[in-house]
Amino acid sequence: KAGVTQTPRYLIKTRGQQVTLSCSPISGHRSVSWYQQTPGQGLQFLFEYFSETQRNKGNFPGRFSGRQFSNSRSEMNVSTLELGDSALYLCASSLKVGPDTQYFGPGTRLTVL
Amino acid sequence: GEDVEQSLFLSVREGDSSVINCTYTDSSSTYLYWYKQEPGAGLQLLTYIFSNMDMKQDQRLTVLLNKKDKHLSLRIADTQTGDSAIYFCAERGLDDKIIFGKGTRLHILP
Repeated sequence: KAGVTQTPRYLIKTRGQQVTLSCSPISGHRSVSWYQQTPGQGLQFLFEYFSETQRNKGNFPGRFSGRQFSNSRSEMNVSTLELGDSALYLCASSLKVGPDTQYFGPGTRLTVL
Repeated sequence: GEDVEQSLFLSVREGDSSVINCTYTDSSSTYLYWYKQEPGAGLQLLTYIFSNMDMKQDQRLTVLLNKKDKHLSLRIADTQTGDSAIYFCAERGLDDKIIFGKGTRLHILP
């Protein structure tokens, strides 16, 4: 069974631009979560989607948004990029919400210049 | 708010046991996890433990949970060079949010 895939793997943008990252969960998984990983803050929860609905949201500004499609694929968008948004963005999928094991993708490395 | 703390570094000789410790603050945690991250890779789930368990063993890995002290540990027996990575402790609270520690970098000495 294929794992979680994320595209693109690497991205370079400039301040003020916007970016969209994509995540395809493991087949059959309906829950997708997003995390931001930086050296200073570590891993921080962004949001969680299940059946096209956002169930949970972390403490990030409104510039960070996401959505989930009917096939469970998810996208996250960051508008008006700032230098501090440079990070590894990880997506994780699980069969259902609640205490279930999450499987992580390889991440998208975003660099903001 | 909830917090998960880990020491940042650990050095262990090849063949010895590694013990990585973690403390958390959310007493309503439902599941606790250990993840491994190798350079340039995403997170790999190593093992997890339900909050009503004290111990879980899986091959070379042993997880110990002390709910009273909110302390979680991961013991890796017979540590190998391939175990060199960053290990993250994480807890899932009743709100289903997962909180991660900052990770412990395990360095294997020859």
